[in-house]
Amino acid sequence: EAGVAQSPRYKIIEKRQSVAFWCNPISGHATLYWYQQILGQGPKLLIQFQNNGVVDDSQLPKDRFSAERLKGVDSTLKIQPAKLEDSAVYLCASSPRLAGAYEQYFGPGTRLTVT
Amino acid sequence: RKEVEQDPGPFNVPEGATVAFNCTYSNSASQSFFWYRQDCRKEPKLLMSVYSSGNEDGRFTAQLNRASQYISLLIRDSKLSDSATYLCVVNIRLDEAGTYKYIFGTGTRLKVLA
Repeated sequence: EAGVAQSPRYKIIEKRQSVAFWCNPISGHATLYWYQQILGQGPKLLIQFQNNGVVDDSQLPKDRFSAERLKGVDSTLKIQPAKLEDSAVYLCASSPRLAGAYEQYFGPGTRLTVT
Repeated sequence: RKEVEQDPGPFNVPEGATVAFNCTYSNSASQSFFWYRQDCRKEPKLLMSVYSSGNEDGRFTAQLNRASQYISLLIRDSKLSDSATYLCVVNIRLDEAGTYKYIFGTGTRLKVLA
């Protein structure tokens, strides 16, 4: 079974530039999550989708971050414009359904450096 | 107060030692509990779910105390390969529609020394 795919793996941009990350979840997984993990901290949920609908985006900085999940499969996360404090690893995860004790499967992440 | 709190460590222990990690959570609506393992510069991976009755998987034992809102992970006979960050994860119900979200602790770093 193929895992969660993410690209790019690494990205270096200057502040005020834009960047986009892509995620392809495990086939058939209804729920998709984007997390931000700053060095030394645990992953922080930015947004979660159930199929192509947003379930929770309460911690997404909506003035600069946006995300979509077209057709309930792939997802993109965009930052525009980037700030220095956005330097982090952006992890995408998927799980078979929304609720309950289901394992989340993580992709390898995209390491973003904002200079 | 953070929703999920862990001692960040690092815990430096010799091979063969027994080490225990603790985690507390603040939201009484928490439904499910997990321990994830994260190796350096890698993604988190599920180590084990935590059940009310406690559960064991080889050298690893997880305990849950709902009254005290406390989760623990015990590792016996530590191996060099156990060196990693251990993340405590709580699944919280958001609404009556059955919407849940996962809250991660900051993680506890373990280094097993030869």
